[in-house]
Amino acid sequence: DGGITQSPKYLFRKEGQNVTLSCEQNLNHDAMYWYRQDPGQGLRLIYYSQIVNDFQKGDIAEGYSVSREKKESFPLTVTSAQKNPTAFYLCASSIKRNNEQFFGPGTRLTVL
Amino acid sequence: AQSVTQLDSQVPVFEEAPVELRCNYSSSVSVYLFWYVQYPNQGLQLLLKYLSGSTLVKGINGFEAEFNKSQTSFHLRKPSVHISDTAEYFCAVSGAYGGATNKLIFGTGTLLAVQP
Repeated sequence: DGGITQSPKYLFRKEGQNVTLSCEQNLNHDAMYWYRQDPGQGLRLIYYSQIVNDFQKGDIAEGYSVSREKKESFPLTVTSAQKNPTAFYLCASSIKRNNEQFFGPGTRLTVL
Repeated sequence: AQSVTQLDSQVPVFEEAPVELRCNYSSSVSVYLFWYVQYPNQGLQLLLKYLSGSTLVKGINGFEAEFNKSQTSFHLRKPSVHISDTAEYFCAVSGAYGGATNKLIFGTGTLLAVQP
């Protein structure tokens, strides 16, 4: 079955540590996205990538970094510079022709 | 650029009653419109989409939405809700020209709370 996987489902880290969230897709989509979700704020775009080896900042990129070395993979690193990293993180990929996005199950990050 | 507004943060409704979740958008170009559903601690799942053609769009789980260009709205409806419909619903808009640079803009979501 085609889809998007994110791992782990739950992640706990100490303050000041960098942490990397995994996102893999086998839908053969060119574009991939990372969103942050906080209660009452909907989805906010962190980074997106249209093609391998290329990515752009979204609305809240500060304190985050990404890479896109393979079409299937778009890992997100939450760095120690992110002031409030505790949140639910969603990865998505899309069909170019109509912008429909397909979402992974999410990773809930808690920084202690 | 596009924007989308979901005025209702929460909509309580009794089981088997009809429901309408409101979505209004703004855009200077033609749009694609989407409704997604999110169950607790899960990702988003597409309910339905409007790309072109008929303004009445039918989706999964008995939901439908109507694109109204003059009122810039895309309200989601269901004639009879079930307890299992309790979830967060997100409306999203993009410009109708495709391409990954044309991002989806999401509303802040509406929590549909179905009561027995």
